[in-house]
Amino acid sequence: AQSVTQLGSHVSVSEGALVLLRCNYSSSVPPYLFWYVQYPNQGLQLLLKYTSAATLVKGINGFEAEFKKSETSFHLTKPSAHMSDAAEYFCAVSLLFSGGYQKVTFGTGTKLQVIP
Amino acid sequence: NAGVTQTPKFRILKIGQSMTLQCAQDMNHNYMYWYRQDPGMGLKLIYYSVGAGITDKGEVPNGYNVSRSTTEDFPLRLELAAPSQTSVYFCASSPRLAGRHEQYFGPGTRLTVT
Repeated sequence: AQSVTQLGSHVSVSEGALVLLRCNYSSSVPPYLFWYVQYPNQGLQLLLKYTSAATLVKGINGFEAEFKKSETSFHLTKPSAHMSDAAEYFCAVSLLFSGGYQKVTFGTGTKLQVIP
Repeated sequence: NAGVTQTPKFRILKIGQSMTLQCAQDMNHNYMYWYRQDPGMGLKLIYYSVGAGITDKGEVPNGYNVSRSTTEDFPLRLELAAPSQTSVYFCASSPRLAGRHEQYFGPGTRLTVT
């Protein structure tokens, strides 16, 4: 079984401050991990993904995430928050089954508020 | 490429009515998915398809049906709408390529059942 836990349903940061969104996963086998962003009234967009290559993954809009197997974590960071980063962020874990089907489990999301 | 498109954007249904949510993708992706999103609950998988003619249930399939007659289209059918089906519905697709497990999402359909 696989699961994803996102700590904090709401996070507020000041503009220019560090953004840290936490994600812990459980998986019986090495997983694929993703961060998606959802802006109001839109679908989810891929921010970045980990697929067992480099443990530090860089994504779009200055975000990055580090895969730490010992901590089963995949936290999302950005050095300096921008007003346009205000959105909801979802961590997801994916396992690939025979036949090619991927089972994706999403976290419950973290809403990021950026204070001017 | 338009990516993943969904129609309608909004819909209000009365209890017991039926409707079909349309989803199409122009990326030639083999895999397609339907999710529902409820506040604070993340996304729950309703149905998925690994190719034309092949569909299977996800976590919350009750009250829904799907079909996949072509690679491009994956409609979701609600037969007897219930208030519990009030939600935002997202269609997604992904390619059948090694290392490409990310999903591409449509803009969503906001459904209210009253």
